[in-house]
Amino acid sequence: SQQGEEDPQALSIQEGENATMNCSYKTSINNLQWYRQNSGRGLVHLILIRSNEREKHSGRLRVTLDTSKKSSSLLITASRAADTASYFCATDARQAGTALIFGKGTTLSVSS
Amino acid sequence: DTEVTQTPKHLVMGMTNKKSLKCEQHMGHRAMYWYKQKAKKPPELMFVYSYEKLSINESVPSRFSPECPNSSLLNLHLHALQPEDSALYLCASSPWASGTYEQYFGPGTRLTVT
Repeated sequence: SQQGEEDPQALSIQEGENATMNCSYKTSINNLQWYRQNSGRGLVHLILIRSNEREKHSGRLRVTLDTSKKSSSLLITASRAADTASYFCATDARQAGTALIFGKGTTLSVSS
Repeated sequence: DTEVTQTPKHLVMGMTNKKSLKCEQHMGHRAMYWYKQKAKKPPELMFVYSYEKLSINESVPSRFSPECPNSSLLNLHLHALQPEDSALYLCASSPWASGTYEQYFGPGTRLTVT
């Protein structure tokens, strides 16, 4: 079963707006990662945040991690049409940290 | 070269056929993975290879048979599949088999079982 649960399942916004996606998980983790998947293609790694980190930035991406609430959020600022994709969080709680388990994902649509 | 390649891109096979999916990386990564992804679902881990040895098999049916001939190649042999096995099959690699490292994904093979 999935470790991460993303919220919302789907999000539609206009170009230039910010998009926020949330991920909740059930068991303790060492790391949490976010990936993007364009329709029917491979996944692309966006950012990794360790359990002792609270916030991390990469370009227009901001990720937060709250281990006490077992949740993470991904903020995409000033979104573009090219950001249209599915976004997945992935945790390493599985198999003693040797494998990732992906959440259900959020589908983001950015219209121009 | 930070690319993971997968062949073929598309595959249509009958339930009695035998086919293979191929994955290749030249990043020197010691961990390679097979995932299965159904439409509008997250990737589901199938197998993990670490240093060319199978380290995780997520209770995958025996009609799926993985093989790691060398550190750069990963195959998935398919035999007597069912229509419900139709999915996108993704290969990935990472420096080591640990969630500490990002995984690099190939573009996937879209498999249709008729």
